[in-house]
Amino acid sequence: NAGVTQTPKFRVLKTGQSMTLLCAQDMNHEYMYWYRQDPGMGLRLIHYSVGEGTTAKGEVPDGYNVSRLKKQNFLLGLESAAPSQTSVYFCASRKGESTELFFGSGTQLSVL
Amino acid sequence: DAKTTQPNSMESNEEEPVHLPCNHSTISGTDYIHWYRQLPSQGPEYVIHGLTSNVNNRMASLAIAEDRKSSTLILHRATLRDAAVYYCILRDTSGTYKYIFGTGTRLKVLA
Repeated sequence: NAGVTQTPKFRVLKTGQSMTLLCAQDMNHEYMYWYRQDPGMGLRLIHYSVGEGTTAKGEVPDGYNVSRLKKQNFLLGLESAAPSQTSVYFCASRKGESTELFFGSGTQLSVL
Repeated sequence: DAKTTQPNSMESNEEEPVHLPCNHSTISGTDYIHWYRQLPSQGPEYVIHGLTSNVNNRMASLAIAEDRKSSTLILHRATLRDAAVYYCILRDTSGTYKYIFGTGTRLKVLA
C-alpha cells in the first residue's frame, strides 16, 4: 500500500502558466480532498469529492478546478497560475464509513 | 461550519503531560471532535476523535466537556517527537463531509 501519493513534489511556474497536480490513492477511498497551506498557516480546503464523478467547493476554490474521473485519482488544476497560489498543496482521502483522513506528503508550488 | 479556537502555541517539558485545549462553543449535536497533528515538513496525521465520551488510544487521550463546548487533547508523556502543530477540527456527520482546519496549536517540547 502506497497510501496517498502526490505528483509532483515540487514545481515552479511562471505567472499565467497552467498545471495539474495529481493525487492518487490505492486504498479504495470514496472521499478525497485538496488543501493548501501557506507559510505559518493552517490548512484551507480548496475542493473535495465524495465519490467518482462528483466534486464540491471548499473554503477557497477560486482559481482552481478539479476532476474525479476515476475513484483513485483526484486532479487539481490551475488554469492561469498567480503568485498568490504559491503554497504547499496537500491531498487527503478517507474511507466512506471512517473518520480518519490520510494525507499525502504535499506538493510545494512556487509561482513567480 | 462550526469553528474551533486554540492557543497559537504551547510549550512543555519532555516526559511531562501536555494538555492542549480547544474551544468549540458553536458545536452541534452531530459534530464529532477530531484532532490531527502535523509534524515538520509532513502532511497532517490523525490522532484521535470523539463525540461525547472521553476517548483513549495509543497516541493520546481526548477529554470532552460535559456541555461539549470544549475539549482537551492529552499527551501523557511528551517526547521531542511530539513537537508539531495540533489541529482541533469539528466534522459534521449530517452530510457536509468537510474537514475545516484552523491554525492549530504549535507545541514545542523542551529537552
